[in-house]
Amino acid sequence: EVQLVESGGGLIRPGGSLILSCEASGFTFSTYWMHWVRQVPGRGPEWVAYIKGDGSGPTYADSVQGRFTISRDNVRNTLYLHLTALRVEDTALFYCVRAARNWGMDVWGQGTAVTVSS
Amino acid sequence: QSALTQPASVSGSPGQSITISCTGTSSDIGAYNFVSWYQQHPGKAPKLILWEVNTRPSGVPYRFSGSKSANTASLTVSGLQPEDEADYYCTSYTTSNTVIFGGGTKLTVL
Repeated sequence: EVQLVESGGGLIRPGGSLILSCEASGFTFSTYWMHWVRQVPGRGPEWVAYIKGDGSGPTYADSVQGRFTISRDNVRNTLYLHLTALRVEDTALFYCVRAARNWGMDVWGQGTAVTVSS
Repeated sequence: QSALTQPASVSGSPGQSITISCTGTSSDIGAYNFVSWYQQHPGKAPKLILWEVNTRPSGVPYRFSGSKSANTASLTVSGLQPEDEADYYCTSYTTSNTVIFGGGTKLTVL
């Protein structure tokens, strides 16, 4: 079964840092580009970042550029998102998502919640 | 970059058809045929229902179809079923090599 399982979310103070992880299984992880997408409850999703299968070409939304870093370990079949300089407005459910052909996103994890609050 | 524009809500009766629009710019929807649509039920992750404007993943019913004209994409749901009641989001790849989501449309099946 194709599966993505996120972890690492929690309550963090403004200005703090956090590392989210996403463990992939059921498919050849290294051959797929991967995304992080976040969603504030009651609002639409927001694309955060993507990375190519070999770990190259990380690309970010303007809202997180310079603060978040996407990376991957193809031996451990794990995707990461390093969040720094966190703001209250970063509070959201963060989804790990597999990239399908032509910019569709075909497999989603269950999400991990990040709450930024003092 | 601002979100793609979708109507906040649409509704229809079982068996009817509805269409949800998704309006962008020449830098996203107008630039490529890389428009996708997602269905999200409460408490669940989004589910891909169309990619590349009008391609259905395996298992998605034929009643879901898509189209695009200039800077606007559309999702049509024919023969509405009660289980189609959900939030729907469009996305597009952009000329900045990023991805942008629509604000979402709540579909109510009356």
